[in-house]
Amino acid sequence: KQEVTQIPAALSVPEGENLVLNCSFTDSAIYNLQWFRQDPGKGLTSLLLIQSSQREQTSGRLNASLDKSSGRSTLYIAASQPGDSATYLCAGVNTGFQKLVFGTGTRLLVSP
Amino acid sequence: EPEVTQTPSHQVTQMGQEVILRCVPISNHLYFYWYRQILGQKVEFLVSFYNNEISEKSEIFDDQFSVERPDGSNFTLKIRSTKLEDSAMYFCASDRGLTYEQYFGPGTRLTVT
Repeated sequence: KQEVTQIPAALSVPEGENLVLNCSFTDSAIYNLQWFRQDPGKGLTSLLLIQSSQREQTSGRLNASLDKSSGRSTLYIAASQPGDSATYLCAGVNTGFQKLVFGTGTRLLVSP
Repeated sequence: EPEVTQTPSHQVTQMGQEVILRCVPISNHLYFYWYRQILGQKVEFLVSFYNNEISEKSEIFDDQFSVERPDGSNFTLKIRSTKLEDSAMYFCASDRGLTYEQYFGPGTRLTVT
């Protein structure tokens, strides 16, 4: 059974800092890993998708990596801005399945 | 940019009542999903739907739940007899079936009193 954990649970940084959010999963038979952003009381916005054949994906100031052998993914945010404040969720899909298994999220606060 | 839409945004119902949550997935997507998030907890998978049938469901998705795609655009989740513990945010999602990147709607907040 796939379990996804995210560390830290909360993170507070000053504007401009580069930061790394961590996601670990127990089952290496992962097919996709997706990173989402969730604003309070809102839906989930897909940020990046990494397929099992890929090691990383980049979108603007965001870079996500996937290491199946170690069961880890990281989301790197460069030059953080107050608008980046949100909860960041990672979720994986195992080979042969369709459901996303979510982590508990990292709540990020970027202060001006 | 196409997006998943959900109605209503907030539904309040009494315990024991039936509710139907509605979703309009992105038009060229083939796979449809329902997830829920109880306040302060993880997002949990409920069910996936492909080719007009359930393709995968969780243990949460018992006989009180059902899904339907009544026409070419809507995808619904019905809860037959709501319980207090059904109070949660319910998210609909869809994907094209190529990369399996799932796109989520804004959610329906269900409050059972």
